Amino acid sequence: TQLLEQSPQFLSIQEGENLTVYCNSSSVFSSLQWYRQEPGEGPVLLVTVVTGGEVKKLKRLTFQFGDARKDSSLHITAAQTGDTGLYLCAGAIVGTYKYIFGTGTRLKVLA
Amino acid sequence: KAGVTQTPRYLIKTRGQQVTLSCSPISGHRSVSWYQQTPGQGLQFLFEYFSETQRNKGNFPGRFSGRQFSNSRSEMNVSTLELGDSALYLCASRPGQGGGETQYFGPGTRLLVL
Repeated sequence: TQLLEQSPQFLSIQEGENLTVYCNSSSVFSSLQWYRQEPGEGPVLLVTVVTGGEVKKLKRLTFQFGDARKDSSLHITAAQTGDTGLYLCAGAIVGTYKYIFGTGTRLKVLA
Repeated sequence: KAGVTQTPRYLIKTRGQQVTLSCSPISGHRSVSWYQQTPGQGLQFLFEYFSETQRNKGNFPGRFSGRQFSNSRSEMNVSTLELGDSALYLCASRPGQGGGETQYFGPGTRLLVL
């Protein structure tokens, strides 16, 4: 069974704090995506990482793809209330057409 | 390029009825996947269609079915609706050739079964 485990599942922090969300699997991914979802809406793509060891920055968000392409992390610096939402990692398993999703991290940033 | 579109956005049905949801993928994308999302179960994979053929399937009962047309548009059908089918149904598309592809989501169809 191919799984993509995210941690933590829930996170409640104060505005201005930093946080990191992790996404781990025993599978190797040809690419991995991070999405953010608001209630009642579809997930919106934040970033795609493809190369092992790759680091991408999107304003206050930093995404890292593990060297072995089995794990990834999302780091948010100085969180804002607008960062509140459900964060999902997902990826295409190498050598297959399968695309699997992480369990999700629900982030709440308090003012 | 237009994004993934889903119709309708909202739907209310009663138990026992059937429903058909529609998804138009991004132009050039041949893979369409369907997901069910509920607060308790999270995002659950229903099935994936590629070039009019079901390529992958999740663990849902046979009441859930789908199809894909030659223009890559896809429909999902749920027969004999149950209360537990109330959920946000998401459609996503990608090129479908494998490799480092990115999947893009539509806005979803919120189904309420009464």
